[in-house]
Amino acid sequence: AQSVTQPDIHITVSEGASLELRCNYSYGATPYLFWYVQSPGQGLQLLLKYFSGDTLVQGIKGFEAEFKRSQSSFNLRKPSVHWSDAAEYFCAVKAGGGADGLTFGKGTHLIIQP
Amino acid sequence: EAGVAQSPRYKIIEKRQSVAFWCNPISGHATLYWYQQILGQGPKLLIQFQNNGVVDDSQLPKDRFSAERLKGVDSTLKIQPAKLEDSAVYLCASSLGAGFTEAFFGQGTRLTVV
Repeated sequence: AQSVTQPDIHITVSEGASLELRCNYSYGATPYLFWYVQSPGQGLQLLLKYFSGDTLVQGIKGFEAEFKRSQSSFNLRKPSVHWSDAAEYFCAVKAGGGADGLTFGKGTHLIIQP
Repeated sequence: EAGVAQSPRYKIIEKRQSVAFWCNPISGHATLYWYQQILGQGPKLLIQFQNNGVVDDSQLPKDRFSAERLKGVDSTLKIQPAKLEDSAVYLCASSLGAGFTEAFFGQGTRLTVV
């Protein structure tokens, strides 16, 4: 069965600084990887996804993520954060095929300092 | 395009009572998922439907939880009887079909069991 580890429960970043959120996955085959963002009281919004091809994927709101098979990682990055980026971020993996529900990590809470 | 609709947004019940949540997926989406998100954790898949058939319910506590998707559109998730540990946000998501497509999430129903 697949699993996702987000080692950082909380991260604090100054506004305008760069950001990297870590994600490690465990899955026997080629993974399908996702990053979602959840603001308070809101549902989950997809930031970006990786299925195959170029290992550097671009998403919405200026986010990008890099898939590194050798490290079983899919870290999320942003060159300059804005106060509105404060939220909970979830990495997720799913299997291909019919039973394709997402397996989520526990999330990283991002705090933006002025 | 309308998103995934869920109701109610909030529900407070006493333990041992029953409760039901409703989800209306995005029009044309064949696959529907229910997730449970306990405070401080990532969402956990409870059940996946493809049209009106169950694809995966391996993590659904079947002694107290049930779900149905009549006519392959709307879905209801029921808990009977509720326990304190069922306090969580219940998220519904839908996608065009199983496989490599994006899942869109509703805002969720926050259940508090007292």
